Order: sequence, then C-alpha cells, then structure tokens
Amino acid sequence: DAGVTQSPTHLIKTRGQQVTLRCSPKSGHDTVSWYQQALGQGPQFIFQYYEEEERQRGNFPDRFSGHQFPNYSSELNVNALLLGDSALYLCASSSRGSETQYFGPGTRLLVL
Amino acid sequence: GESVGLHLPTLSVQEGDNSIINCAYSNSASDYFIWYKQESGKGPQFIIDIRSNMDKRQGQRVTVLLNKTVKHLSLQIAATQPGDSAVYFCAEGWGGATNKLIFGTGTLLAVQP
Repeated sequence: DAGVTQSPTHLIKTRGQQVTLRCSPKSGHDTVSWYQQALGQGPQFIFQYYEEEERQRGNFPDRFSGHQFPNYSSELNVNALLLGDSALYLCASSSRGSETQYFGPGTRLLVL
Repeated sequence: GESVGLHLPTLSVQEGDNSIINCAYSNSASDYFIWYKQESGKGPQFIIDIRSNMDKRQGQRVTVLLNKTVKHLSLQIAATQPGDSAVYFCAEGWGGATNKLIFGTGTLLAVQP
C-alpha cells in the first residue's frame, strides 16, 4: 500500500518564477492538505482540498493556489516566487470522517 | 540530508531511559491532538493521536497524556532507542475531519548510546 508521494523531491527556482508541486494521496484517502515548513520550524497550513474544491485556507497570499483532480491527487502552484518561499512543502492526506493526516516526504524548494 | 531542528528545544536522554516531551497548545476549542516524528530530510511520521474526551492513550512504547485544564500535552516514550532520535511535533485541530492542523515549534530528541 503506497503512502503519500510527492514530486519532485528537490527544486531550484529564481525569484519571479512559478512552480508546480505534485502530490498523490495515500490509497483510500480523498482529502489533501498542503503545508509549508521553513527550516527549524513546524509546518504551517496552506490549504486543504476535498471534492476538487479548496475547503480551508491558511494565512498565505493568493500567489499560492492549488488544484485537486478527480483521482484525488493535487497540485500546489506558487507564482512570482520570493526568496522567503524557500521551504519544505509537505502534502498530507486523510479520509473524510477521520482527522488523522499522513504526510508525504515533501518537496524541498530553494528560491535564488 | 539537512537538519530540521537547528534552533529547537533539545531533550537529551540515555538509551534505555524513558523520554517525556511536553507541548503547550493554544486553542481551548481544539478537540484533536496528534504527535508526529520527523527525521532529518523526511516528512512528519504519525506516532499517536488523542481526542479531547480522553486524557490518556497508549500505543506501542508511547503514551500521550492530555491535560485540558492547563492546555498541556505530553508524549512519553518508553525504553528510548537511538532510532527515536528526531524532532517531535505536537499538533492541534478542531472542527472534525475538515480540520487544519496547527503545529507547535518542535522538540529535538537526542538519544545517547
């Protein structure tokens, strides 16, 4: 049974560019949440997708957007990258009716 | 891989001892709490969770205690092993299955052989 998978594992971009990160949830899960983790800090909630719609959003600007596909996989898009966007981006999946979120290995984004 | 816990509170224990990691949460309305373990270069790994209608829950070598009066959560690890070395995060949530998780700052557990 595959767990949560994310791609790519590492990414280097320059300021002003755009990036797309991908996530496949754990088998049987239909809800995907995205988190940003700066070095030395705990993950911070970006947003959550269920039934292909954004259901909740954290305190992140509109430069951060997402999408969920019919197969429950999800993408995180970040436009106009800033140096401060450098972080580990984590995807977590869960099933409706359960609060437990399982995390993927993350995508390490470096903005130069 | 990179180190996640460069400036985190650190708990140093001897192999075989019991470890207690503490966490204060912020929201009185939180009704779900969860502990994660994060090793360097990896995503958080689920350890154990507890709902607010309980004050104690046990797993394999781990116990979580919840004190709602003082908004305090603890994780006890019995017979700590070198493989337990990692950063440990507590997280709180509310609102059922639609909840977002709010994470604490984390504690670095260093197990000395």
